[in-house]
Amino acid sequence: QLFLTQSPSASASLGASVRLTCTLSSGHSSYAIAWHQQQPGKGPRYLMNLNSDGSHNKGDGIPHRFSGSSSGAERYLTISSLQSEDEADYYCQTWGTGIVVFGGGTKLTVL
Amino acid sequence: EVHLVQSGAEVKKPGESLKISCKGSGYRFSTYWIGWVRQMPGKGLEWMGIIYPDDSDTRYSPSFQGQVTISADKSITTAYLQWSSLKASDTAMYYCGRLMEGGNDLFHYWGQGTLVTVSS
Repeated sequence: QLFLTQSPSASASLGASVRLTCTLSSGHSSYAIAWHQQQPGKGPRYLMNLNSDGSHNKGDGIPHRFSGSSSGAERYLTISSLQSEDEADYYCQTWGTGIVVFGGGTKLTVL
Repeated sequence: EVHLVQSGAEVKKPGESLKISCKGSGYRFSTYWIGWVRQMPGKGLEWMGIIYPDDSDTRYSPSFQGQVTISADKSITTAYLQWSSLKASDTAMYYCGRLMEGGNDLFHYWGQGTLVTVSS
């Protein structure tokens, strides 16, 4: 069964870096994912798609501070030089035959 | 530039029907999958289903199969999500999104959302 696991919460200080993790279920370690950001009171925003080899393509206007990487079944979103507006929920998403799957989301708090 | 514009907020009573819309522009509407996502208050994103406007091929999440109907009218570049009999538990924000090209079912562009409130 295809599913994505994310930690419910994360926190980091203003100006620091943080790495969020999205883990693919067993047998699906080759799958690509997308990362989406949802700021408080707003709709989702596509950040990037991320392949199993770590290659990624960011959406229009996404700052260089956002990057992606992969290791096995884990997909990472790294945000450097954290800013207050990065405080948001972050969702990973993938797809399988006839289905689309979202992770439960990680709430990032910028201290 | 790709844009998805959704219809406005709705307030309905249980048992009523509803159809909300998502109008695409800035790209070839008929050849990209469009998806719908539910977000209940304080909760995460839930995939509901997707449609390919060119031939109306539709796939539903098992959780929403039979509960909603997804359709599209490529002549007016608009996708729809409809309910025949709303329940209070349908109260949520609903987002449409355009998926990537080439069979890559990742959401790439998002609408602004439609808030649906169902209350007696």
